[in-house]
Formats: sequence, C-alpha cells, structure tokens
Amino acid sequence: DGGITQSPKYLFRKEGQNVTLSCEQNLNHDAMYWYRQDPGQGLRLIYYSQIVNDFQKGDIAEGYSVSREKKESFPLTVTSAQKNPTAFYLCASSQAVQETQYFGPGTRLLVL
Amino acid sequence: SQQGEEDPQALSIQEGENATMNCSYKTSINNLQWYRQNSGRGLVHLILIRSNEREKHSGRLRVTLDTSKKSSSLLITASRAADTASYFCATDTSGNTPLVFGKGTRLSVIA
Repeated sequence: DGGITQSPKYLFRKEGQNVTLSCEQNLNHDAMYWYRQDPGQGLRLIYYSQIVNDFQKGDIAEGYSVSREKKESFPLTVTSAQKNPTAFYLCASSQAVQETQYFGPGTRLLVL
Repeated sequence: SQQGEEDPQALSIQEGENATMNCSYKTSINNLQWYRQNSGRGLVHLILIRSNEREKHSGRLRVTLDTSKKSSSLLITASRAADTASYFCATDTSGNTPLVFGKGTRLSVIA
C-alpha cells in the first residue's frame, strides 16, 4: 500500500447525504483510478484520470463524481443519486494508463 | 467491459501443495498482469508478462501466457497459509484505456 493513502478507513452515509472519499499519492504518477468492489466480486471502474484537470467515466460512473485539481489527489464523491453505495472503494495510481497500478488500502462505505 | 476471467472462482488446498489458477481473455493484449488481494486490503502487483513472453518466474510464482489460446496461468508452488488471498489477472487492450481486471480466484491454503 506504500505511496498511496485513502481516508477514512470506514465511512458512514446517511440517506440523501453526499460523502467524499480521499485518495492521495506521492508516487508522482500521472494516472489515478477509483474502483468499487462488492463482497466476493471483482473490481469495477468508476472513474479514472490520466492527467491533472482531466478525467473519464468508467463502467459505473452514475451517482459518483470526481475532481483532479492536483496531481497528488483524486477525491471521489458518492452522491445521493447513488442508491446502493455500500461497498469497498479502492483508489489506485500508475505512471500512465495501462501500466502497473498501485493500490491504496481502501475505504469501506456503509449506509446508516 | 469484462476482459479477463479467472478459473476456478475458488480453490482450497493444503499447505505445501501447488496452486494453479487460470485467466482467459477475449481480445489481443500487450501485457497481462497478476495481482493479489488480502481480505479487506488493496491489491498488490505480483508479476507482469508481455505478449512476446511465454513464461516468467518470480520466487515461488510461475506465470505462463499462451496468446494463441488467449489464456494465462499462475502457479504458486509449495503454498503457505500466508498465500491465502484473492488473485486477479488484469489485461490491457489496444488504445489508451485502463487495465481490465477479472473477477478473481479466492485461494484458501489450509495449514
């Protein structure tokens, strides 16, 4: 997990609330990613960014938003439009798209 | 956009035995990577094999790639309880798009 951090480790969301998950990397990587993982399942790509001030939707972007104002940071907001947000969220970074990805420790989001 | 599919979905073996898991994919690739995920943690990169390579070793890991069959296998020799984890293959495709991860194989090594 070295070089990429996620916070908080656990996050609780009330109905109708937006919550933001933090992801920071000190690897000087250009590309960053957000994945959702449901129990016993694989990774599904939410959003990715190849460079500062640019990002693209992944396979399941609805109900999520991101920003990439700094190279080191790629926060993910889970909006109230995401009706089933309970999952494990993983952030990753890589030197460039298609290169080896380095993952953070994850944030587990639970709904109250 | 599922590209890689691991097989089996779950595997349970005794400590000391070898574990083999397979990954099949659909389109041409440049590289194939294997990652490991311990329960409740992030993924960790294990090994990358390029499309012009047939076999690669790293410690107790052996990866093979058969581009004609669009498949790869990961062999863990002399498994240990600490190898208990999920293992994912990830493939890249043509164009400037992210890696695509399979659904993983859950390996349980019983001491």
